[in-house]
Amino acid sequence: AQTVTQSQPEMSVQEAETVTLSCTYDTSESDYYLFWYKQPPSRQMILVIRQEAYKQQNATENRFSVNFQKAAKSFSLKISDSQLGDAAMYFCAYRGRDDKIIFGKGTRLHILP
Amino acid sequence: ETGVTQTPRHLVMGMTNKKSLKCEQHLGHNAMYWYKQSAKKPLELMFVYNFKEQTENNSVPSRFSPECPNSSHLFLHLHTLQPEDSALYLCASSQGRRMNTEAFFGQGTRLTVV
Repeated sequence: AQTVTQSQPEMSVQEAETVTLSCTYDTSESDYYLFWYKQPPSRQMILVIRQEAYKQQNATENRFSVNFQKAAKSFSLKISDSQLGDAAMYFCAYRGRDDKIIFGKGTRLHILP
Repeated sequence: ETGVTQTPRHLVMGMTNKKSLKCEQHLGHNAMYWYKQSAKKPLELMFVYNFKEQTENNSVPSRFSPECPNSSHLFLHLHTLQPEDSALYLCASSQGRRMNTEAFFGQGTRLTVV
């Protein structure tokens, strides 16, 4: 069975600084996708970024980028130039061939003004 | 607005009541999900439906009964719940059998069992 682990329950970062959220996963599949979702206080889940396991190039979406290490089964999210609106719960997720989408326990990110 | 609508947004029910949660999507997706979000187990996958067939039941107690009459609608029927079932219940939809597609979530039903 696939598992997703986020070992940082909470993190804080100064506004305009850079922060990295960690995620590791376990799977026996070779092809899969990884996702980062954001859940602000409104509780609405929003996709931040996705990464295909077969692509070596790390995905980037504006201030958000990932560091994908397939051999280590690691998928961290880097947020550059942090903004107050980035404060939220961040969830790492795994999707394989069976359509199950498995989430980690989340990291609550605080932005300090 | 994600295109996934859940009703009701809030629900308070007694342990002997029977109620249903409804989820509706008009995104053309054919995979639908129920997740339970609580402080102890954030985003716990409960059920997956693909093309109206249940493909995953993550050891969910029988007091939770899902129903998927078509690809656009998903229900979660509740009966004889326990106080520990109080949580946010999130519905999501996605393109089935396409790993690269993300899940779109509704805003959830906040359930309180008294």
